[in-house]
Amino acid sequence: QKEVEQDPGPLSVPEGAIVSLNCTYSNSAFQYFMWYRQYSRKGPELLMYTYSSGNKEDGRFTAQVDKSSKYISLFIRDSQPSDSATYLCAMKGPGGSYIPTFGRGTSLIVHP
Amino acid sequence: NAGVTQTPKFQVLKTGQSMTLQCAQDMNHNSMYWYRQDPGMGLRLIYYSASEGTTDKGEVPNGYNVSRLNKREFSLRLESAAPSQTSVYFCASSVSQPQHFGDGTRLSIL
Repeated sequence: QKEVEQDPGPLSVPEGAIVSLNCTYSNSAFQYFMWYRQYSRKGPELLMYTYSSGNKEDGRFTAQVDKSSKYISLFIRDSQPSDSATYLCAMKGPGGSYIPTFGRGTSLIVHP
Repeated sequence: NAGVTQTPKFQVLKTGQSMTLQCAQDMNHNSMYWYRQDPGMGLRLIYYSASEGTTDKGEVPNGYNVSRLNKREFSLRLESAAPSQTSVYFCASSVSQPQHFGDGTRLSIL
């Protein structure tokens, strides 16, 4: 079992839908949680960065962390075709060099 | 604001050839990283450099070498390319914050 599990999809939704992307993890030491967005033929770009449990909102995006369940989510409201990309979750424990553990990514397709 | 720049963007090699992938960052970051990304496998760390003058192995270092040339530059070398090294290679940099990535080098080994 990988430390971080993420459904590869693809997840196909109509424009305007609320999207929920999720990752589960097994390492209870993880404290820092990130979501990256990766467009085709581009590098991952940081979308959301949270520490410990709780919610963080940035525009149409909300990141949620439930450490008791070892489960993190990214919600996208009013999804747009421009949100079509692969979304990677990543997480890291305390201390040391900044080397996160990545999920394999979920492919999202938002169709007009 | 260039961020992390990788060269070349594409390369085709024959088995046994050697190649150096270049990476440079202009954000004054201490740490730099090399990943490979394969379908269904996600990002896998090859090597990293926590600071200038140090390098360490990641999850999949076999067949690769790295050089931290200075604070800005971190290169990845394939001494004798193998078809199993066909992949997209990403360089990243950071300073105690989440990593910033380049746009990758797409490498095919025939």
